[in-house]
Amino acid sequence: AQSVAQPEDQVNVAEGNPLTVKCTYSVSGNPYLFWYVQYPNRGLQFLLKYITGDNLVKGSYGFEAEFNKSQTSFHLKKPSALVSDSALYFCAVRDNAGKSTFGDGTTLTVKP
Amino acid sequence: NAGVTQTPKFQVLKTGQSMTLQCAQDMNHNSMYWYRQDPGMGLRLIYYSASEGTTDKGEVPNGYNVSRLNKREFSLRLESAAPSQTSVYFCASARGGVNNEQFFGPGTRLTVL
Repeated sequence: AQSVAQPEDQVNVAEGNPLTVKCTYSVSGNPYLFWYVQYPNRGLQFLLKYITGDNLVKGSYGFEAEFNKSQTSFHLKKPSALVSDSALYFCAVRDNAGKSTFGDGTTLTVKP
Repeated sequence: NAGVTQTPKFQVLKTGQSMTLQCAQDMNHNSMYWYRQDPGMGLRLIYYSASEGTTDKGEVPNGYNVSRLNKREFSLRLESAAPSQTSVYFCASARGGVNNEQFFGPGTRLTVL
């Protein structure tokens, strides 16, 4: 069975500093990996995905993610954090049947 | 283009009551999903429909039923609500295939007393 782990419940960074939100996964076959963001009282919004190709994937709002096959990781990164980036972030993996498994989420807080 | 819409936004039920959560999408997507979100547990898949006319169980299907009414609509029914079903429910849709992202509705906050 596939699984996703987000080892940090909470990540705190200062505005302007780089941020990383960690994700590791387990899946049989090719990994299809996604990051979503959720703002309070809203549904999830897609940020970026890795399907194949370059290990560094660029997405919305200046976010990027690095796929590492040997470490089975897909960490979300941003070079310079904004206060408005504060939200709940979910990593997800999809299997060949199209079924997605989500991590438990990481709350990112960016302080001014 | 409304995306994914869900009704109602809020609902309070008594134990044993039944209700149906409605979901519709206007993006001509093939796949639709129902999730529940509980604090500290992320999103858990209840049921999904890979295409019109098909439905499959997800991780936590017990106590729920679904109907893929047509390509646009995918409803979730609680036949006899229990307090353990208190949660926020999200509907999502996707074009289908493994490489397409999901689009989520705004959620339904359900409380079962």
